[in-house]
Amino acid sequence: ETGVTQSPTHLIKTRGQQVTLRCSSQSGHNTVSWYQQALGQGPQFIFQYYREEENGRGNFPPRFSGLQFPNYSSELNVNALELDDSALYLCASSLVRGQSYQETQYFGPGTRLLVL
Amino acid sequence: SQQGEEDPQALSIQEGENATMNCSYKTSINNLQWYRQNSGRGLVHLILIRSNEREKHSGRLRVTLDTSKKSSSLLITASRAADTASYFCATDDTGFQKLVFGTGTRLLVSP
Repeated sequence: ETGVTQSPTHLIKTRGQQVTLRCSSQSGHNTVSWYQQALGQGPQFIFQYYREEENGRGNFPPRFSGLQFPNYSSELNVNALELDDSALYLCASSLVRGQSYQETQYFGPGTRLLVL
Repeated sequence: SQQGEEDPQALSIQEGENATMNCSYKTSINNLQWYRQNSGRGLVHLILIRSNEREKHSGRLRVTLDTSKKSSSLLITASRAADTASYFCATDDTGFQKLVFGTGTRLLVSP
């Protein structure tokens, strides 16, 4: 158990719909990252939030957006869903203090999204 | 895009044997990490090795890093059936955990 939780565990949507995935960080962590993992592939970095601000984005279009709340929980929103968005979505939390950071990043169990 | 590749893509061994997985990457890194994933669920952090380190141990795990060859290896000694999982290497070039993962090695350890 890492202390990082995600909801829902599974989700089925149709093409063109919008989806919101949620992540609750491990207690005391102030940074959350989101990853997309297609079947049979390694996870790909979507974006990271630090103290409620986006702190870097991978090669994903703007229809992937996020939020981090004051309690450091986070949401991933995907608009205009496409079939290729079907994947396991993972969030991970860590602690960053100024110029130093806790190197271990703790992953949640993921949300499996199927787009039909 | 993936940072690099892992080799082999799949590995099948008997309990008690050692398992070695290799990872190659493309760019300069701050650190390299290894993760385990069971049945397509969450990732479990195994070990981190910094770019100025060459070898690191943790229990039955041994990781090596060769920055000149841009490669790393993970050795699991005395494998157990519970080690059956997918193993991923991930590189961090910024130092802020924006990880770039490899393609993974699927390990099957038979009793």
